[in-house]
Amino acid sequence: AQSVTQPDIHITVSEGASLELRCNYSYGATPYLFWYVQSPGQGLQLLLKYFSGDTLVQGIKGFEAEFKRSQSSFNLRKPSVHWSDAAEYFCAVASGAGGTSYGKLTFGQGTILTVHP
Amino acid sequence: DTGVSQDPRHKITKRGQNVTFRCDPISEHNRLYWYRQTLGQGPEFLTYFQNEAQLEKSRLLSDRFSAERPKGSFSTLEIQRTEQGDSAMYLCASRRLAGGHLAKNIQYFGAGTRLSVL
Repeated sequence: AQSVTQPDIHITVSEGASLELRCNYSYGATPYLFWYVQSPGQGLQLLLKYFSGDTLVQGIKGFEAEFKRSQSSFNLRKPSVHWSDAAEYFCAVASGAGGTSYGKLTFGQGTILTVHP
Repeated sequence: DTGVSQDPRHKITKRGQNVTFRCDPISEHNRLYWYRQTLGQGPEFLTYFQNEAQLEKSRLLSDRFSAERPKGSFSTLEIQRTEQGDSAMYLCASRRLAGGHLAKNIQYFGAGTRLSVL
């Protein structure tokens, strides 16, 4: 069964500092990988996705992520964090990488990001 | 696209009561998903529809839960005889049928319905 692990429950950074959120996945085939962000009381907004091709993917709000098959990782990065980035971040893997399944998402437990001024 | 809409945003109910939530997906999205998110956890898959057909149900979806999508457009999720353990955020998402177009294999989420069972 597929699974996602986000080792860091809570991360605190200063505004302007760089950020890396870790994500490890377990999936038998080529994964479809996603990062979503959730502000308090809100739904999920897609930051970026990896389906195939270039292993470094760019997303919205200046975020990027790198897919490393050898490490089963898909870490999210941002070179300079803004106070508005404070939120909860979820990594997810979709089933059916072969395009034949229904695309159910399996999420990690999330990482809460706090940004200090 | 107008986005995925969920109603109500908040629901407070007493234990034992029935509740129903509604989800309106993005138009022309024929796949619709329900997830449940408890405090401090990531969303967990509950069930999914392709058009009006419910094709998969998680073991999390007990007999007290039922979901429908009668005309392949909006969907409802009903919980009967609510329990305190049902307190959670219920999220709905929709997407197009991928059909080989990877760019469309993206789920768009609504803002969720937060259920509190007293």
